[in-house]
Amino acid sequence: GAGVSQTPSNKVTEKGKYVELRCDPISGHTALYWYRQSLGQGPEFLIYFQGTGAADDSGLPNDRFFAVRPEGSVSTLKIQRTERGDSAVYLCASSLLGLVATFGSGTRLTVV
Amino acid sequence: SQQGEEDPQALSIQEGENATMNCSYKTSINNLQWYRQNSGRGLVHLILIRSNEREKHSGRLRVTLDTSKKSSSLLITASRAADTASYFCATDLGNTPLVFGKGTRLSVIA
Repeated sequence: GAGVSQTPSNKVTEKGKYVELRCDPISGHTALYWYRQSLGQGPEFLIYFQGTGAADDSGLPNDRFFAVRPEGSVSTLKIQRTERGDSAVYLCASSLLGLVATFGSGTRLTVV
Repeated sequence: SQQGEEDPQALSIQEGENATMNCSYKTSINNLQWYRQNSGRGLVHLILIRSNEREKHSGRLRVTLDTSKKSSSLLITASRAADTASYFCATDLGNTPLVFGKGTRLSVIA
């Protein structure tokens, strides 16, 4: 597609539930990034894929968070046993040469 | 953790005035970029400056980089109400993910 697409745009879930957030990067972009942004803060790095493999997952806060990119295109961020502190906007970005990143509009996750 | 620190945290100016935002960072970098964000959603890339460059222009935007002071500034000239947004600096070490600051919230009053 023309841009990075993230679905859903909004997700409300109950504490303890499992959620999946999807990212469709720009076609042909090999690098894909997930960030998390809390209100009034800058985006916080979570994980970075180069192709199908996670090149850097040092930003994942704990083992409840996991992300996959099985075919080197679409990526899914998975959060198990959600907690209220997981509420944030989750941003996905992709890039071709690893310099300028194109961001999606984000998924606003609210854990109640 | 966040490498960059923007200053000021918030800025309010009249339309037509210039807006200057500063960014300081902690470690050596390959590139520094500025992004803009409206309404807390997707970020839009504005400009990239490499570590061996000192100044760059794009339309009404002017970015400077001082690697000895580990700082950068973004100047928006002749501001418009539509420039109201949050502005973030982001750094990378080359083939590493971007690390963002906390941002400056700019309000341009018509």
